[in-house]
Amino acid sequence: GEDVEQSLFLSVREGDSSVINCTYTDSSSTYLYWYKQEPGAGLQLLTYIFSNMDMKQDQRLTVLLNKKDKHLSLRIADTQTGDSAIYFCAERSNSGYSTLTFGKGTMLLVSP
Amino acid sequence: EAGVTQSPTHLIKTRGQQATLRCSPISGHTSVYWYQQALGLGLQFLLWYDEGEERNRGNFPPRFSGRQFPNYSSELNVNALELEDSALYLCASSYSTNEQFFGPGTRLTVL
Repeated sequence: GEDVEQSLFLSVREGDSSVINCTYTDSSSTYLYWYKQEPGAGLQLLTYIFSNMDMKQDQRLTVLLNKKDKHLSLRIADTQTGDSAIYFCAERSNSGYSTLTFGKGTMLLVSP
Repeated sequence: EAGVTQSPTHLIKTRGQQATLRCSPISGHTSVYWYQQALGLGLQFLLWYDEGEERNRGNFPPRFSGRQFPNYSSELNVNALELEDSALYLCASSYSTNEQFFGPGTRLTVL
């Protein structure tokens, strides 16, 4: 079955880079996503990468995909206190259904 | 452009009652997805509707049901509520299957 794993917690200082890691098991994954959830709010789509790409950059965000190891990472450059949130990795398989399988989320805490 | 909206924001029910949650997708989006975010369990896929039809269903009992209306809005119904149904219920919409945009959620508390 499909499974997505993330570390639960990451703490960084403001101005540092943050790297949030994710592993998945479904080799037929077509798209991989990063969502952000602030306290009491829904999920905000940050970025996504197609499985035939190995990197995508969008302003302060860099996504790296190692398809061989089924490893996805999200790097946030110059992390700000406003980046404190829970970050979810998700994958969409090529099963014909467009539903997403989510990891349990990584809580990022940015201290001043 | 308005995002995905959900109502109510909070809902308090007692065991055995029924709950109805509503979702309005982004204009132009034809697919609606429902997810349950329960404490400690992460986000679990519930239901997917597209063009008025149920397309896929997650591993939930039949007392979780829903529908999609001609205007693409959607309802999630939970019958015979149990304490463990307490969760944040998130709705997402999409036009293409590549991106899903989420609403703020409905917090359901079952007492």
